[in-house]
Amino acid sequence: AQKITQTQPGMFVQEKEAVTLDCTYDTSDPSYGLFWYKQPSSGEMIFLIYQGSYDQQNATEGRYSLNFQKARKSANLVISASQLGDSAMYFCAMRPGYSNASKIIFGSGTRLSIQP
Amino acid sequence: GAGVSQSPSNKVTEKGKDVELRCDPISGHTALYWYRQSLGQGLEFLIYFQGNSAPDKSGLPSDRFSAERTGGSVSTLTIQRTQQEDSAVYLCASSQHYRFSGANVLTFGAGSRLTVL
Repeated sequence: AQKITQTQPGMFVQEKEAVTLDCTYDTSDPSYGLFWYKQPSSGEMIFLIYQGSYDQQNATEGRYSLNFQKARKSANLVISASQLGDSAMYFCAMRPGYSNASKIIFGSGTRLSIQP
Repeated sequence: GAGVSQSPSNKVTEKGKDVELRCDPISGHTALYWYRQSLGQGLEFLIYFQGNSAPDKSGLPSDRFSAERTGGSVSTLTIQRTQQEDSAVYLCASSQHYRFSGANVLTFGAGSRLTVL
């Protein structure tokens, strides 16, 4: 079965510290894509980073990096030097397979609170 | 359009009434999704349209829910005989489809907040 699991409902981190948000996934398809989205209190969904299953390098986008461990089926998001504006819900998502039938599913999310 | 547009942004209705939620995706995006998000919760998949393929309706919670996409563009999610548990934010998202890649980045609308009294 296709599934995304985020085991941390909430996290509190001091400003300027690095933070890792956990995500594990389950799929039998060798081709898949992994995503992270941010949802601030305003409610908008903001795309952060993407990792393809065949990508050799871990994806990075500014302060965001994705720690992709294929054998362990994990795709943790790392935020370096956290800022107050990073406080939000963070969702991990997966698209299992590349066919027309492959839909994107989301995890339950992690609420990150950055403290000054 | 420049982004994904959803209407109405807020809808308050009485239990038992029907509601229609509209989504206007980004022009050229062949994939369109509906998700439901209850307060403080994750995104629950409802339905997925991709081009001319038959939609994936596997996430619709009951036969009171239906959706259509006309002309490969605008989509309408209809909830019949609304119940209080239908209260949630309904999010629409669209993306391009890449045949040999999973990089289908979703662009989300602002959502339609439904309150059933």
